[in-house]
Amino acid sequence: SQTIHQWPATLVQPVGSPLSLECTVEGTSNPNLYWYRQAAGRGLQLLFYSVGIGQISSEVPQNLSASRPQDRQFILSSKKLLLSDSGFYLCASSRRNSPLHFGNGTRLTVT
Amino acid sequence: DAKTTQPTSMDCAEGRAANLPCNHSTISGNEYVYWYRQIHSQGPQYIIHGLKNNETNEMASLIITEDRKSSTLILPHATLRDTAVYYCIVRVAANFGNEKLTFGTGTRLTIIP
Repeated sequence: SQTIHQWPATLVQPVGSPLSLECTVEGTSNPNLYWYRQAAGRGLQLLFYSVGIGQISSEVPQNLSASRPQDRQFILSSKKLLLSDSGFYLCASSRRNSPLHFGNGTRLTVT
Repeated sequence: DAKTTQPTSMDCAEGRAANLPCNHSTISGNEYVYWYRQIHSQGPQYIIHGLKNNETNEMASLIITEDRKSSTLILPHATLRDTAVYYCIVRVAANFGNEKLTFGTGTRLTIIP
């Protein structure tokens, strides 16, 4: 079965600083990969998804970007963080016709 | 993807069956019903999914009405560890490459000792 690794688990960053969150997947190949964000007390918002290396689709315009340098690696980045970027960031993975599996997330606080 | 409607919160006594309802009246014929749960500060966990027939696994049972406009997730013997937010989602299972789950705010289930 798939295992999704995300790090760090928590992160506190000042406004204007850069961001790099990494996600790696084990136990599968050629997965679809996703970045979601969850604001406190709210549902999950899809940010980016990728169907292959170098292929990124953005769902909402924002201060963030994503990259997929390897088949099982997905990176979420920002050049300059905003206060509104605070939230719980979740990486997810799926194969065709299989359920979406999530990592345990990174809680980002921008101060 | 079809939208779903769930109660905001529910309580259930420990050891009893927890029945979580979900309405999905605009579901299409090729859309599956999925259930996930999210324990505080963790990623969502897949529970079960189904298309038309009722489904059961080691975690739960899923009952889908004949018209498929609603479903119920059943946790047969709830424990304190089942306290979580439960999400009901519908999606086209074979929507390869464009698979986007839309999570609402779910039902906050609290198991009472």
